[in-house]
Amino acid sequence: DAKTTQPNSMESNEEEPVHLPCNHSTISGTDYIHWYRQLPSQGPEYVIHGLTSNVNNRMASLAIAEDRKSSTLILHRATLRDAAVYYCILRDVEAGGTSYGKLTFGQGTILTVHP
Amino acid sequence: GAVVSQHPSRVICKSGTSVKIECRSLDFQATTMFWYRQFPKQSLMLMATSNEGSKATYEQGVEKDKFLINHASLTLSTLTVTSAHPEDSSFYICSARAQGPEQFFGPGTRLTVL
Repeated sequence: DAKTTQPNSMESNEEEPVHLPCNHSTISGTDYIHWYRQLPSQGPEYVIHGLTSNVNNRMASLAIAEDRKSSTLILHRATLRDAAVYYCILRDVEAGGTSYGKLTFGQGTILTVHP
Repeated sequence: GAVVSQHPSRVICKSGTSVKIECRSLDFQATTMFWYRQFPKQSLMLMATSNEGSKATYEQGVEKDKFLINHASLTLSTLTVTSAHPEDSSFYICSARAQGPEQFFGPGTRLTVL
């Protein structure tokens, strides 16, 4: 699996936007960019995923660089409940789009949100 | 989103005993289930992948005779830690996937082996 690089930790203030970067310079054409987060003592939770175009959902936005070698997860207004470890993961999809590779977790970014 | 449950949430056992952890997809049929292990302050490590009715595929370095996985139905997978020892103490997390790319994770089971 292609590797991702994330900062070990980031801090934010409540109600401010947070931009979590991820570098993936060896990404292949069939790799999707997935983001999951893990709150303390819980299982991971899906946040968002994308391939080439920027993506938005109710939780976050995903901005993908034109060359796809980096991406940024954007939390528009951080809350205390957003404090978690955020994982950026590359996952390939086989031809036909029905079979997916494994989710391999790296170290992630520990996000601390200050009141 | 879809819900995955695990039982028990926490278990303490004596060294040498076996422990079974259940993972259920509550509102969808999981074609594939995954088992992860997470040690304190570390990331999740994939242990094995299982498809309903098939033998599990274990990751390199994971002992299949020690970590028995049964995926008997589209909504249930079990992980049995056989002859558990203190070094097996960890946070065990299951995950399930239906047809799409999204994986849904259970809340985890904290195993403590005395």
